[in-house]
Amino acid sequence: NAGVMQNPRHLVRRRGQEARLRCSPMKGHSHVYWYRQLPEEGLKFMVYLQKENIIDESGMPKERFSAEFPKEGPSILRIQQVVRGDSAAYFCASSPPSRIGPYGYTFGSGTRLTVV
Amino acid sequence: SQKIEQNSEALNIQEGKTATLTCNYTNYSPAYLQWYRQDPGRGPVFLLLIRENEKEKRKERLKVTFDTTLKQSLFHITASQPADSATYLCALEDDRGSTLGRLYFGRGTQLTVWP
Repeated sequence: NAGVMQNPRHLVRRRGQEARLRCSPMKGHSHVYWYRQLPEEGLKFMVYLQKENIIDESGMPKERFSAEFPKEGPSILRIQQVVRGDSAAYFCASSPPSRIGPYGYTFGSGTRLTVV
Repeated sequence: SQKIEQNSEALNIQEGKTATLTCNYTNYSPAYLQWYRQDPGRGPVFLLLIRENEKEKRKERLKVTFDTTLKQSLFHITASQPADSATYLCALEDDRGSTLGRLYFGRGTQLTVWP
């Protein structure tokens, strides 16, 4: 029973390129959450998605960032025209379809994006 | 403004002692408070969750308290071991409908347990 899978683990992009980060939730989970951890800072919520639906994107920068969770396949966080300030660790978490009671979230190991 | 402060960026204790980590928050009304462990280069790992109407929760050597009047949670590791060395994160979750699923994290406390 694999956990939350993120790939790639490390990604290097030049300024102006596009970065695509992938997240496969745990089996049976249909909710995905993306967080960003900047150096020396805490994790910040970015976006919450269900299959084919964005539930809450209040933490996403207004420009260059987008996220999707298609009916088939992993969730994708896409960063266009990357800048040095996008360098961070990006984590994905997932949860089951029905939220019966509170529980902890399962996080992936993250993608470390470096913009050079 | 909203803040989550984890006192002590770093905490060093001797093996066998009890480690106590603090999480204080301002301008939140959390329904749940969670504690995670994060090792270098890894994602957070869930440890314990406590509800707003609970005072204390235990799991093996771990204990969490939650005081909504003081707006504070304490996280204790008893009989600490070098393997407990990691960064510990406090996270709040607001259960008010539209923000369900959004965790607000503190910056963490780096715990080192020395032999």
